[in-house]
Amino acid sequence: EDQVTQSPEALRLQEGESSSLNCSYTVSGLRGLFWYRQDPGKGPEFLFTLYSAGEEKEKERLKATLTKKESFLHITAPKPEDSATYLCAVRHSGYSTLTFGKGTMLLVSP
Amino acid sequence: NAGVTQTPKFQVLKTGQSMTLQCAQDMNHNSMYWYRQDPGMGLRLIYYSASEGTTDKGEVPNGYNVSRLNKREFSLRLESAAPSQTSVYFCASSEALARAGNQPQHFGDGTRLSIL
Repeated sequence: EDQVTQSPEALRLQEGESSSLNCSYTVSGLRGLFWYRQDPGKGPEFLFTLYSAGEEKEKERLKATLTKKESFLHITAPKPEDSATYLCAVRHSGYSTLTFGKGTMLLVSP
Repeated sequence: NAGVTQTPKFQVLKTGQSMTLQCAQDMNHNSMYWYRQDPGMGLRLIYYSASEGTTDKGEVPNGYNVSRLNKREFSLRLESAAPSQTSVYFCASSEALARAGNQPQHFGDGTRLSIL
């Protein structure tokens, strides 16, 4: 059974204080790892897809990386508007649907 | 661009009542999905439709039915609502559910459903 575990559950940062969120997974034959951002009262918003170990993608202050067992979402010099819940999901070779982690709630204080 | 539109945004039901949640997408996507999101549980797949005319069960299908009305629309029905179905329901769509494809899913803003 696919397992996706995100840590920490919640993270509070000061504006400008860089940190990383973790997504560890156990799937047979990863075909894609997805990062989403979810604001309160809204649906998840797609950020990145990573396909293979060693791959990296960046968008503004966010950088996602992938290894064979986990993915990191690095947040550099965060701003209050980066506050949101970040979700990780995986798709493996035998399935086409996604398995989601429970998310990390990020709060960035000014 | 509307993307994925869900109606209604909020609803309160009494136990035993029935209701249909509506979802429409304007991105010409083949695949559509229904999820529920509960505190501490994350997003769980209820049903999905790989393409028009097909539907399949997800992780938590009990108590729900779905209809893929056409390529744009995918509805979720609660025949006899129970308090355990109190949740936020999200609809999503993607370009393809094929093994060769790996497109992200795009989500609506959800329906917040309370069952008393």
